[in-house]
Amino acid sequence: SYELTQPPSVSVSPGQTASITCSGDKLGHKYACWYQQKPGQSPVLVIYQDTKRPSGIPERFSGSSSGNTATLTISGTQAMDESDYFCQAWDSSTVVFGGGTKLTVL
Amino acid sequence: QVQLVESGGGVVQPGRSLRLSCAASGFTFSSYGMHWVRQAPGKGLEWVAVISHDGSNKYYADSVKGRFTISRDNSKNTLYMQMYSLRAEDTAVYYCAKDLEAVAGPFDYWGQGTLVTVSS
Repeated sequence: SYELTQPPSVSVSPGQTASITCSGDKLGHKYACWYQQKPGQSPVLVIYQDTKRPSGIPERFSGSSSGNTATLTISGTQAMDESDYFCQAWDSSTVVFGGGTKLTVL
Repeated sequence: QVQLVESGGGVVQPGRSLRLSCAASGFTFSSYGMHWVRQAPGKGLEWVAVISHDGSNKYYADSVKGRFTISRDNSKNTLYMQMYSLRAEDTAVYYCAKDLEAVAGPFDYWGQGTLVTVSS
């Protein structure tokens, strides 16, 4: 079955750029999307179709994808961005999630 | 505004059944695929199943195939998940989620979730 691999944790200083990767076989040939989830809350879509940002999502969130890796980039990271982030793709009639990355802003 | 409200969760013994519901409002329910996604305590997201806008296509995660059945009633704007032969590992918060378009995701709206606990 298809797998998406994310680093368990990423740390970033306030105001700096955070990058979270998601790796999967030929992921660049599929659409990837990203969700943000804060403790006790439902996930929120922050990037879809690799690079698109839903309305209401701050411009500091951006996405890219190439080869086997999709990347979520948060520019000028703020304390409020500290969350879990999950990537997701579609493969062989199933939705696949990455294991999630805990972003710590310190 | 879009609202998805799950219900039906609770504590159930292993081997028993449970039916979850998700009441949708604020959008044309019959035009979109709908998903169930679950999250075990302290764990990541796990996709469970999807149903196409008209119910003609259904896909399931291997972990629930043959035990769970997804369905919808477009006249009632409601999504369902019938769960049979429940196991301890099915314990999770179950979210319903609206597909942006068809069945492949992404999920642009999520409900607040309903907790299912499988325990004797």
